[in-house]
Formats: sequence, C-alpha cells, structure tokens
Amino acid sequence: NAGVMQNPRHLVRRRGQEARLRCSPMKGHSHVYWYRQLPEEGLKFMVYLQKENIIDESGMPKERFSAEFPKEGPSILRIQQVVRGDSAAYFCASSTGTGGYEQYFGPGTRLTVT
Amino acid sequence: KQEVTQIPAALSVPEGENLVLNCSFTDSAIYNLQWFRQDPGKGLTSLLLIQSSQREQTSGRLNASLDKSSGRSTLYIAASQPGDSATYLCAVSVIQGAQKLVFGQGTRLTINP
Repeated sequence: NAGVMQNPRHLVRRRGQEARLRCSPMKGHSHVYWYRQLPEEGLKFMVYLQKENIIDESGMPKERFSAEFPKEGPSILRIQQVVRGDSAAYFCASSTGTGGYEQYFGPGTRLTVT
Repeated sequence: KQEVTQIPAALSVPEGENLVLNCSFTDSAIYNLQWFRQDPGKGLTSLLLIQSSQREQTSGRLNASLDKSSGRSTLYIAASQPGDSATYLCAVSVIQGAQKLVFGQGTRLTINP
C-alpha cells in the first residue's frame, strides 16, 4: 500500500503566479488534511476535507487560498497570486476516518516564491 | 484553544545517554497524542501514537507516556545514537475541531558521537 503522495516535491513560483499542490491519500483513505510549516515555525493546520466536501477550513488564510478534494483524483491546494510569505513546506495527511484515527503524512511540497 | 508546548527547544547529549523529551497541552479533550520525527528539509516520520485511553506506548528504544489529566506526555529515548539526531514533534488530535492535529514547536535533538 503506497503511502501518501505529494507532488511536486519542490515548486518555485514568482510573485503573482499561481501554485497548485497535489495530494493523493493512501488507498482507502477518504479524509485529507493540509498543514503548513513556515520557516523556523511549527506545523499549523490549514484545512480538512472529505470527498467533495470541505469540513473545516478554519486554518486557511481568507484570501488567495483554496482547497478541493474531488470525487476522482487528488486533493488540490491552490494558492493564487503567491507572495514571498507563502514560501513554506506544505504537508498533506490522510486517514480512514475521524475520531482518533491516525493521520499519515506525505513527504511535503516545498514552495519557494521568488 | 488548544496549545502544545515542548521543552526543551534544543538538547545536545553525548551518545549512549538516555534522555527525555517533554510535551504539554492545555486542553485534555483529545483523541490521541502522536510523536513524530523530522529530519532537516524532510517530511514527518510517525514514531508513536497513544490513544487518550492509554498510558504509554513502546517501540524499540522509544517509550512514550501520556497523562491526559495533567496534560503531559514524555518521550523517552534509551541508549541514544547519532542517528537519533533530528527534531521531535509532539501533536495532539483535538476532539473539537474535526480532529485536526495541533503541533508543538519541537525539540531539536543532537546526539554527539
């Protein structure tokens, strides 16, 4: 059973461009979480999705950030008009359910905004 | 609001020593607590997960304890090795808030040969 897959692993964008980060959960997992790790900071929750639904987006910046988890295909974290402050490692995790189920993390996407 | 604190922020010890990393959390309403390892520039490796009903978990040289009522967990590493050098993260799965994980800032551990 392959683990959580994230691509790309490294992404460089110029200010004002769009960044699209992809996450394929483990087989059989229908719950996806996105976390962000800013340089020299801890990981912070961004958004929790189930198939076709956003359940909790309390950690998402109000503007420029969006997430989706379609019925088919990977979960996508989209950042529009990136700024230097968006440079960070973005991690995706998946689980089989809620209520104490372990979250399994992907290797992360390191976004650099120049 | 759940807050997780890890002490110390950094620790340097000689090889072979036993050591303890500490984690505290402010709200005992958790599903579980998880310890991770993160190497520089890398992802997270899950070390141990303790459900809220459990008191401890062991894996090899690692032992994690949980005292939910006092909001504390410890990670004990026996016979430390240079390969144990990494940042260790503690995270709690909150009951309120769709089971998101709340992370501590981590303890940066260096094992000197």
